[in-house]
Amino acid sequence: DTGVSQDPRHKITKRGQNVTFRCDPISEHNRLYWYRQTLGQGPEFLTYFQNEAQLEKSRLLSDRFSAERPKGSFSTLEIQRTEQGDSAMYLCASSRVGQGLAYEQYFGPGTRLTVT
Amino acid sequence: AQSVTQLDSQVPVFEEAPVELRCNYSSSVSVYLFWYVQYPNQGLQLLLKYLSGSTLVKGINGFEAEFNKSQTSFHLRKPSVHISDTAEYFCAVGGSQGNLIFGKGTKLSVKP
Repeated sequence: DTGVSQDPRHKITKRGQNVTFRCDPISEHNRLYWYRQTLGQGPEFLTYFQNEAQLEKSRLLSDRFSAERPKGSFSTLEIQRTEQGDSAMYLCASSRVGQGLAYEQYFGPGTRLTVT
Repeated sequence: AQSVTQLDSQVPVFEEAPVELRCNYSSSVSVYLFWYVQYPNQGLQLLLKYLSGSTLVKGINGFEAEFNKSQTSFHLRKPSVHISDTAEYFCAVGGSQGNLIFGKGTKLSVKP
């Protein structure tokens, strides 16, 4: 079963450093999503790609955040000049395309970021 | 705009008892509804989905949910819970941006 994978699973960094996370989606899925989850909350949408095109970005995605999916396969999420408020679980999900199917999203295990 | 309200933040229940986790939604677009389960320090696992068709949907691990359009609800039920069902459960609705909009979650605690 080749599900969604994320790397690293945990990252501790100092305030002001840059961090990058990687997500590998399910191979036949065209769409790839990034969400952020803080303690006691449900996941919040950040951005998504269809193939290599970034189609939507949330207002949560400040200009310190950038995401790429250069070849339409894996994606990276970079956070520049990290702040303590960036501490959260970063979740990646993927889905097919089609009426309703795009919402049937399969999640990876997440990357837990701690900014000290 | 779409939104999800999970009415209970915590639900304690004894093993083998029935359980219902409540979810109400608001949506101005086509309604697609989901329940996910999250175990500690893990990602979300899809339990079940409503995309169209029958309003009673069955999922994994013996869970089921009923889509009620008039009450804008999508409550999750299981007739007999196990210790292993202890986890956090999230209800979600499809958003206008192509994303999922999640509720704040319900922590189910199954006691022996």
